[in-house]
Amino acid sequence: DTGVSQNPRHKITKRGQNVTFRCDPISEHNRLYWYRQTLGQGPEFLTYFQNEAQLEKSRLLSDRFSAERPKGSFSTLEIQRTEQGDSAMYLCASSSEIGKNTEAFFGQGTRLTVV
Amino acid sequence: GDSVTQMEGPVTLSEEAFLTINCTYTATGYPSLFWYVQYPGEGLQLLLKATKADDKGSNKGFEATYRKETTSFHLEKGSVQVSDSAVYFCALMNTGFQKLVFGTGTRLLVSP
Repeated sequence: DTGVSQNPRHKITKRGQNVTFRCDPISEHNRLYWYRQTLGQGPEFLTYFQNEAQLEKSRLLSDRFSAERPKGSFSTLEIQRTEQGDSAMYLCASSSEIGKNTEAFFGQGTRLTVV
Repeated sequence: GDSVTQMEGPVTLSEEAFLTINCTYTATGYPSLFWYVQYPGEGLQLLLKATKADDKGSNKGFEATYRKETTSFHLEKGSVQVSDSAVYFCALMNTGFQKLVFGTGTRLLVSP
């Protein structure tokens, strides 16, 4: 298992464009999380899936943001009409609710720059 | 709401020095507490955790004790190495929730 994989690693886009990021969690993990990290700050929770169900969304997740996990495996995070304030590192994590080790494993992130 | 406060960095130490990174939290209920580490160019990794008061988490020579009376979870290591240079994040997860609440991170720089 190669861990949590995120693509692309870097994305530069013009303001107003739409972008989509992909996260492939560890295969046996049923929980998947998205976080956003801006420079000099800790990660902030955006949303959480258990299997294909989106169970929690932060107020940080405006109407321009949407996340899906259609088959309970990979997930996508789309940002519509990007703004400069969306520039950040977007982190994905996954975990299992089964067993003793429910640790969240993080991917390396997708760095978004909106110009 | 829940929050985590950790000391600002960078913390600059010489190899074999003693390390303390302070972390305090505010939370309702009985959260679990974590330290994550981010090495340059890598993703966040769980370093250690504690799930209840007076628990001590430990890993790779690092330790932290869950102190409910002072709402603290300070990270310590007796003798740091150059390879410990990284950003360290304190975090909590409250009971019944699945989200981690992180502090702002503390950069540690260890020189030979």
